Amino acid sequence: AAGVIQSPRHLIKEKRETATLKCYPIPRHDTVYWYQQGPGQDPQFLISFYEKMQSDKGSIPDRFSAQQFSDYHSELNMSSLELGDSALYFCASIPPGNLGGYTFGSGTRLTVV
Amino acid sequence: DAKTTQPNSMESNEEEPVHLPCNHSTISGTDYIHWYRQLPSQGPEYVIHGLTSNVNNRMASLAIAEDRKSSTLILHRATLRDAAVYYCILIGGSNYKLTFGKGTLLTVNP
Repeated sequence: AAGVIQSPRHLIKEKRETATLKCYPIPRHDTVYWYQQGPGQDPQFLISFYEKMQSDKGSIPDRFSAQQFSDYHSELNMSSLELGDSALYFCASIPPGNLGGYTFGSGTRLTVV
Repeated sequence: DAKTTQPNSMESNEEEPVHLPCNHSTISGTDYIHWYRQLPSQGPEYVIHGLTSNVNNRMASLAIAEDRKSSTLILHRATLRDAAVYYCILIGGSNYKLTFGKGTLLTVNP
């Protein structure tokens, strides 16, 4: 069965650089959620999209932005990277009608040096 | 968001049943009880969810108290691959966002 695909799997950036993380939800899933998980921390909600519109916003820095495209894939753009942005970034998708559970991707490990 | 309380850690032996408790005394009538688990360096994985009745699937069983103020995730025969952090999360109303709290770190001994 198709899963949630995230790319890249690993990313190393320098401080003040920009990064773009991509998320491809399960086909026909119209809602995407982004989470950030720092070392030893629990996943923290960043932002979500439903039908290409932002549906909810969590503790996402102003330096970060995201969008969902017509094919439902989503991109998280991160600018002016800081050392503290080093974390695992997960996206998840759920099907229309919010039935069942979230399906998470394997994540992107971002390291800022 | 309604809060849940779980033990920080639990330990089990391989091939024995495991009962992971979760308290959610402020649960509202429309809140679903979801369980996820996260293995090291992997994304969270959906385990099971329920509203009022007990639920079974290929991974686990979910026992929900009659007053819904607590629930128990049951792994019938723990394996080494079940070692993970288990999260009990309430989702309700129009807000279907998962909010992770402090889960239970399950250690499975061979």
